[in-house]
Amino acid sequence: SQTIHQWPATLVQPVGSPLSLECTVEGTSNPNLYWYRQAAGRGLQLLFYSVGIGQISSEVPQNLSASSPQDRQFILSSKKLLLSDSGFYLCACNRGRNTEAFFGQGTRLTVV
Amino acid sequence: KQEVTQIPAALSVPEGENLVLNCSFTDSAIYNLQWFRQDPGKGLTSLLLIQSSQREQTSGRLNASLDKSSGRSTLYIAASQPGDSATYLCAADSWGKFQFGAGTQVVVTP
Repeated sequence: SQTIHQWPATLVQPVGSPLSLECTVEGTSNPNLYWYRQAAGRGLQLLFYSVGIGQISSEVPQNLSASSPQDRQFILSSKKLLLSDSGFYLCACNRGRNTEAFFGQGTRLTVV
Repeated sequence: KQEVTQIPAALSVPEGENLVLNCSFTDSAIYNLQWFRQDPGKGLTSLLLIQSSQREQTSGRLNASLDKSSGRSTLYIAASQPGDSATYLCAADSWGKFQFGAGTQVVVTP
């Protein structure tokens, strides 16, 4: 099975500051990669997914962006954070269509 | 658009009772359905994956069924233990994207 490393585990950032969350995958090559956000009391919302090298799709228009600079690496970024960006961010991967998904331990982001 | 619903939202049972968690989805064109467990402040741990061609999957005390035609999956946990206390999430894989339910929060009391 794959192992996903996410960091940092917690982050407190002021409004208007930049953001960079990193996720790396071990145990497979060329995985599909996903960023989810989990707001308090709500379900997981798919933000971005990467299927294939260099192909990143956005599910929800917002001030966040995602990139995959190399195989098994997925980065979530923002140039200027908003209060509404606070939440629990989870990185996930699977080996391809119709395979088991694995999740990282998440990053708790608080924008103040 | 795929919508996933989980009922009940919360459940409290005494230790030893069997747990029944329900998940429904609106679009039956799914690749698979996966059940996860989430402990407070943690990521998701995969429990069971049911392929769209399968009717059920079993792992230890866990059994998950899938009825695509009716858009339902059920997770059964036999002989619950306090360590089973967590939030359980189901996710439908539609066209390579996982759509999640809001989860069922389970408390097993000693």
